[in-house]
Amino acid sequence: KAGVTQTPRYLIKTRGQQVTLSCSPISGHRSVSWYQQTPGQGLQFLFEYFSETQRNKGNFPGRFSGRQFSNSRSEMNVSTLELGDSALYLCASSLTIPGNEQFFGPGTRLTVL
Amino acid sequence: AQKVTQAQTEISVVEKEDVTLDCVYETRDTTYYLFWYKQPPSGELVFLIRRNSFDEQNEISGRYSWNFQKSTSSFNFTITASQVVDSAVYFCALINSGGSNYKLTFGKGTLLTVNP
Repeated sequence: KAGVTQTPRYLIKTRGQQVTLSCSPISGHRSVSWYQQTPGQGLQFLFEYFSETQRNKGNFPGRFSGRQFSNSRSEMNVSTLELGDSALYLCASSLTIPGNEQFFGPGTRLTVL
Repeated sequence: AQKVTQAQTEISVVEKEDVTLDCVYETRDTTYYLFWYKQPPSGELVFLIRRNSFDEQNEISGRYSWNFQKSTSSFNFTITASQVVDSAVYFCALINSGGSNYKLTFGKGTLLTVNP
């Protein structure tokens, strides 16, 4: 069974640009969550989607948005990038609710210059 | 509000030593899950264990064991006879299983270095 895949793995952008990250969950998993990991703040919850609906959102500005498609694949978008957005963005999938085992992808490392 | 505290920022041991990683949590909910994840240098979080708040039975899996004590809100992780491959950052995490707030709250992590 294939694991969670994330693309791209590495990304370099400049301030003010926007970026879209993609996550494909494990087959059959319908819940997808996104996390931001930085050295200073650690792992922080961004949002969670289930059946194309955002069920939960963390404390991030509106520049961070996401969506989920009917095949459970998810994308997150960050607009007007800031230096502080440089981070490892991790996607996790679980069967129905995140209380099930969450399986993480390898992450997308975003660098904002 | 939920909170997970991993007081040990870094631990360094010599191979074959036993090591315990501490995790203390706070939650107002009565039903929740606790997790441990391992993050090797490659960056991918690897699931190790999930524990339901109603199940205080300790668990052993090979060299790994977990001690869950609700009375002290702790969920500690012990590696017996550590190996160099155990070197990684370990995260403890908490999620509520009731309601609809499906947010996984992580501790800051403990960097474990096992020296040969």
